[in-house]
Amino acid sequence: AQSVTQLDSQVPVFEEAPVELRCNYSSSVSVYLFWYVQYPNQGLQLLLKYLSGSTLVKGINGFEAEFNKSQTSFHLRKPSVHISDTAEYFCAVSDYGSGNTGKLIFGQGTTLQVKP
Amino acid sequence: DTAVSQTPKYLVTQMGNDKSIKCEQNLGHDTMYWYKQDSKKFLKIMFSYNNKELIINETVPNRFSPKSPDKAHLNLHINSLELGDSAVYFCASSQRTGNEKLFFGSGTQLSVL
Repeated sequence: AQSVTQLDSQVPVFEEAPVELRCNYSSSVSVYLFWYVQYPNQGLQLLLKYLSGSTLVKGINGFEAEFNKSQTSFHLRKPSVHISDTAEYFCAVSDYGSGNTGKLIFGQGTTLQVKP
Repeated sequence: DTAVSQTPKYLVTQMGNDKSIKCEQNLGHDTMYWYKQDSKKFLKIMFSYNNKELIINETVPNRFSPKSPDKAHLNLHINSLELGDSAVYFCASSQRTGNEKLFFGSGTQLSVL
C-alpha cells in the first residue's frame, strides 16, 4: 500500500523569502508523484508532476520539485514567494503497476501562509 | 466556460434526508472521480468512472451511489444522510484512466444538521 506524509501542517513565510514544502512517500512499486494547490474555496489545481526522466521538475507559478528515490521524497520549492501563493498544498502519489486505476493517494496537506 | 462544474456549491440538510450532487465536465475526458475532503482537509477518493464504467469503488458506505449517465456526467446520490457525511465533495476528471492530470470542480460543501 502507498502512503504520503507531508511533514509540515503549516509553513509561515515572509513574502519574497524561499520556501520548501516537504513530502515523503512509501510504496512497494514505482510511482508517479504530484503536487496540487488549493486556493481558498476552490478545487485543486496541478502544480507539477514527476513521471520519469529528470528528477527536477518545474511547474507553474515558479514552483519546482525534486524527486529523490533513495530518500523517497518529493519536496516542493520556490525561491521567492508572493502573497498570492498563500494556499493549501497537497502532495500525491499514484502507482503505475499492474491494475493501474489512476488512484491518487493524497498527503494531509500543508498550509503555506505568506506574510507581507 | 467552467471545465468541471458541480452543483450545488452549498448543501445544508437534515439527518436522514436523501440528496444528490451533480457534476459535469466539458473537457471531453473519459474518466471522472468523486473525492471527499474532511474538516482536516484530508482528501480521499471515493469513486471513479471510465466511460460510464465503475473503476474505483473505495470503502464507501452503500448509502453513497454514483451514477454516470454519460461520460461527461458523474452524479453522487447520498441516502439517509448522517452527521459524519458533512464534508466538501469534489468532482474531478482526467483525459483517461492512468496518471493523467486531474481537473477538479470547485467543490460542494455538504453540512448535515
